[in-house]
Amino acid sequence: QLIESDGGLVEPGGSLRLSCAASGFTFDTYAMIWVRQAPGKGLEWVSTISGTGVSTYYADSVQGRFISGRDNSKNTLYLQMNSLRDDDTAVYYCAKIREVGTVTTAPCDYWGQGTLVIVSS
Amino acid sequence: DIQMTQSPSSLSASVGDRITITCRASQSISNLLAWYQHKPGKAPKLLIYKASTLESGVPSRFSGSGSGTEFTLTISSLQPDDFATYYCQQFNTYSKTFGQGTKVEIK
Repeated sequence: QLIESDGGLVEPGGSLRLSCAASGFTFDTYAMIWVRQAPGKGLEWVSTISGTGVSTYYADSVQGRFISGRDNSKNTLYLQMNSLRDDDTAVYYCAKIREVGTVTTAPCDYWGQGTLVIVSS
Repeated sequence: DIQMTQSPSSLSASVGDRITITCRASQSISNLLAWYQHKPGKAPKLLIYKASTLESGVPSRFSGSGSGTEFTLTISSLQPDDFATYYCQQFNTYSKTFGQGTKVEIK
């Protein structure tokens, strides 16, 4: 099970941290990803983080502004979002990679329900 | 980055119809493609991975095929629960890009 923290309303240029609490699997053996869906748009990959947290990857649209992290002792994934822009408004999902120990070669088999982030003044 | 292009962007169909959705990758991704079903307010659901492997619990009316750059998702007999948006996703790289989605609506 994956449960995202509440999102919220934030002004342009502001920051917000999302969290995703995991249960029911050995958290530190699976890579995780963040995906978002802007209003009326499709799914957009945001970030991938390895099981150890050592390796992180970002979409060009968030590179340098967003930081993925994880606390494996707390079975929790994080997305620190800085310098937020209007076009970051979206529902954000965390998802688990299906296979142990890989950041590629496997899709996502479990997803959170999503949390809405609105960037607006 | 690998770009994924789905077609059509939307389609109207009736219960019992057979439908096919196509996904094209901008470069070869072998068979590292997944299909998801997404309904409003819900989490996306994995249907098929590695192009043609049905995820556990997914009805057999869903099937996938293809390799390299061309892939298809087929629903053999559309059911009321199948009206949703469908996305392909490549997982050949760490940047797990999606197609733009295909919305399946009731005719």
